[in-house]
Amino acid sequence: DGGITQSPKYLFRKEGQNVTLSCEQNLNHDAMYWYRQDPGQGLRLIYYSQIVNDFQKGDIAEGYSVSREKKESFPLTVTSAQKNPTAFYLCASTLQENTEAFFGQGTRLTVV
Amino acid sequence: AQSVTQLDSQVPVFEEAPVELRCNYSSSVSVYLFWYVQYPNQGLQLLLKYLSGSTLVKGINGFEAEFNKSQTSFHLRKPSVHISDTAEYFCAVRDFWGGSEKLVFGKGTKLTVNP
Repeated sequence: DGGITQSPKYLFRKEGQNVTLSCEQNLNHDAMYWYRQDPGQGLRLIYYSQIVNDFQKGDIAEGYSVSREKKESFPLTVTSAQKNPTAFYLCASTLQENTEAFFGQGTRLTVV
Repeated sequence: AQSVTQLDSQVPVFEEAPVELRCNYSSSVSVYLFWYVQYPNQGLQLLLKYLSGSTLVKGINGFEAEFNKSQTSFHLRKPSVHISDTAEYFCAVRDFWGGSEKLVFGKGTKLTVNP
């Protein structure tokens, strides 16, 4: 079945450590997105990529980094510079000529 | 750039009652609108979308929404809710700006269906 896979589902890290969240899709979608979700704040865009080897900052990119070396993969690194990294992270993808976004099941990151 | 406002953060209703979740978007020449549902600790699932054509859009699970260009609204409705409809609902608009496109989300409405 085609879809988006995020791993792991739950992730715990110590403060000051970098951590990388995985997002893989087999939908042959061109564009991929990372959102952060906090209670009562909806989804806020961190980074997005419309083609391989290219990506743009979203609304809250500070403290995060991404790469897009393959069409299928769009990993997100939460760096130690992110002041409040504990959150639910969602990855999504869309076809360029289509407008519907498909979402992964999310990764809940807890920094202690 | 587009923005989305969901007017109610929480909506409690009784089972089998009708419900309306409100969504307003900022004005644009053309607009693509979506409603997504999220169950706890899961990703988002598409309920319905408006791209063009009929202003009344039917989606999954008995939901429907009406696109109103003059009021810049896209309210979600269901005539009779079930306990299983308890979830958070997000309205989103496709934003074409600065040569790129992305989805802009509202802050969500938590629907609680009580027995």
